[in-house]
Amino acid sequence: QSALTQPRSVSGSPGQSVTISCTGTSSDVGGYNYVSWYQQHPGKAPKLMIYDVSERPSGVPDRFSGSKSGNTASLTISGLQVEDEADYYCCSYAGRYTLVFGGGTKLTVL
Amino acid sequence: EVQLVESGGGLVQPGGSLRLSCAASGFTFSSYWMHWVRQAPGKGLVWVSRITSDGSSTSYADSVKGRFTISRDNAKNTLYLQMNSLRAEDTAVYYCAGGTPAYFDYWGQGTLVTVSS
Repeated sequence: QSALTQPRSVSGSPGQSVTISCTGTSSDVGGYNYVSWYQQHPGKAPKLMIYDVSERPSGVPDRFSGSKSGNTASLTISGLQVEDEADYYCCSYAGRYTLVFGGGTKLTVL
Repeated sequence: EVQLVESGGGLVQPGGSLRLSCAASGFTFSSYWMHWVRQAPGKGLVWVSRITSDGSSTSYADSVKGRFTISRDNAKNTLYLQMNSLRAEDTAVYYCAGGTPAYFDYWGQGTLVTVSS
């Protein structure tokens, strides 16, 4: 149950696009199409942004998209807005009904 | 409106026990798998445990296996986490979350557990 690998931080200007990677192994990210992404603002509970690699819950803007290639999943945020500044976490099913998170990525909107 | 409200956190000495509760409302609690996720101060999210919608099956992270027990009472719309043999590294905000086996739709606001002498 080792944590998935995410970059510690990424940044972008309003209107730009950023991509956050999430690297695991064939036992988690690469083995299942069950990657989800969560947004967390300081002092707040996380919020589901993407599930099942690329599905978006109702209410989440279509500026947020997810994908996966091999053992690496990605979250892309296009048309960056100031309110997107937050921590982002990936999460993957890891077999035997266990889940594993990434270490988190701090997104700064410059 | 969906609500998950955790309670039961607080300060406990190493080796002690604590029982967290999570009261659910605004959705069909008995249809959802439920999870506990924790976050140490300034650190990332860590999945702790999950329980099926009917309570028949549970899973745990290796770090808490044998010490923590997850349970639920669907008649009371409440999720529990019994934490025994607590260690300093268990200090964290504990969130309850509802969803599927693979992701979390709903989150509570969390309850802080501090393990310290």
